[in-house]
Amino acid sequence: DTAVSQTPKYLVTQMGNDKSIKCEQNLGHDTMYWYKQDSKKFLKIMFSYNNKELIINETVPNRFSPKSPDKAHLNLHINSLELGDSAVYFCASRGGATIGAETQYFGPGTRLLVL
Amino acid sequence: GENVEQHPSTLSVQEGDSAVIKCTYSDSASNYFPWYKQELGKRPQLIIDIRSNVGEKKDQRIAVTLNKTAKHFSLHITETQPEDSAVYFCAVADEKLTFGTGTRLTIIP
Repeated sequence: DTAVSQTPKYLVTQMGNDKSIKCEQNLGHDTMYWYKQDSKKFLKIMFSYNNKELIINETVPNRFSPKSPDKAHLNLHINSLELGDSAVYFCASRGGATIGAETQYFGPGTRLLVL
Repeated sequence: GENVEQHPSTLSVQEGDSAVIKCTYSDSASNYFPWYKQELGKRPQLIIDIRSNVGEKKDQRIAVTLNKTAKHFSLHITETQPEDSAVYFCAVADEKLTFGTGTRLTIIP
């Protein structure tokens, strides 16, 4: 259950603030992701990193900046928070693209509420 | 990019009956199709997956079928139990997961 972990679990903040969410995986995976789940439960990819390099950026506003200090960590910093940023943010990781390694494992989620 | 449609959006089934959720996708090059179950307040968890070289896969009460020609795949849950109540997502995987819109399954005791 602690294979992919995120902190904090809950985050309540005011509009305009800057906040960070941290993610760590101890699975030895090369690829990590950030997904956003909105109030209607839609799950959508935001970013993907492979061995610390950005490989996917799905037209996310520049206020969102991912950072990967090493392949086990992928953090998400959000500047100038807006009401529409309220959502659950899930980190995920994957071993690779080969058969048997393509399963993605999700963290427990960070519930962000912007007031 | 990939487009995944999922139906129905909600499904209520009497305990013990079967439930079927269907998905269609757009990119014929896709070859890995996982299904995730998300309980209230929890993370999505993989329950079954299928690769394009097989047409059906079964794991106890859960099965998935894939029709690559028609570009659709389905989740079948038999002998449903109250603990099957959750939101189920189909997905198509390449370097990322593209999810369907989810099906809220409710098992009526």
